[in-house]
Amino acid sequence: ETGVTQTPRHLVMGMTNKKSLKCEQHLGHNAMYWYKQSAKKPLELMFVYNFKEQTENNSVPSRFSPECPNSSHLFLHLHTLQPEDSALYLCASSQVPGQTNYGYTFGSGTRLTVV
Amino acid sequence: SQQGEEDPQALSIQEGENATMNCSYKTSINNLQWYRQNSGRGLVHLILIRSNEREKHSGRLRVTLDTSKKSSSLLITASRAADTASYFCATDAHPTFGSRLTFGEGTQLTVNP
Repeated sequence: ETGVTQTPRHLVMGMTNKKSLKCEQHLGHNAMYWYKQSAKKPLELMFVYNFKEQTENNSVPSRFSPECPNSSHLFLHLHTLQPEDSALYLCASSQVPGQTNYGYTFGSGTRLTVV
Repeated sequence: SQQGEEDPQALSIQEGENATMNCSYKTSINNLQWYRQNSGRGLVHLILIRSNEREKHSGRLRVTLDTSKKSSSLLITASRAADTASYFCATDAHPTFGSRLTFGEGTQLTVNP
């Protein structure tokens, strides 16, 4: 257990469904991130939140909608996804926004399959 | 363009041997980090080396950084079967507010018992 908890661990959804991924950390970190990991590709940064404010949207399609109600919780709302969105979605947190001198702490990820 | 690129893409060794993985990057960096990922799991932070450092050790890990060549290497000594995993380098580009890590594609290490 890393201190960053992601739920669910696995999710299968149809293209017309709406679902949400949840990430929670109680490490006192102030920055949280969503990454997408597809087979044979580098991790892709999707969203960055610093002190609950979104500071980066890395050209992510609008069918992915992030929400950060407080510094400890991060959600990724999904709707009308495509099969190519199937991937491992990783949440991470870091201590101070704009500084990564202590590394990121990752959750175990949500394995998403879109059918 | 991709910031960190690992080499080799895959490495298979026998238990007890040393494993060396390399990472190249393109832009100025604040620091470079190495992470490990077991199959289907999240990444685990292993070690961080700052741009003004040349070498760093942590247990069986040794990391070097050559900023003139924009490259880093990760050495795992006396490897064990439990070291089997994917290893990623990640670069923190020159600091600006909200700077973030950019990851390479990783090296898949297999340590055979």
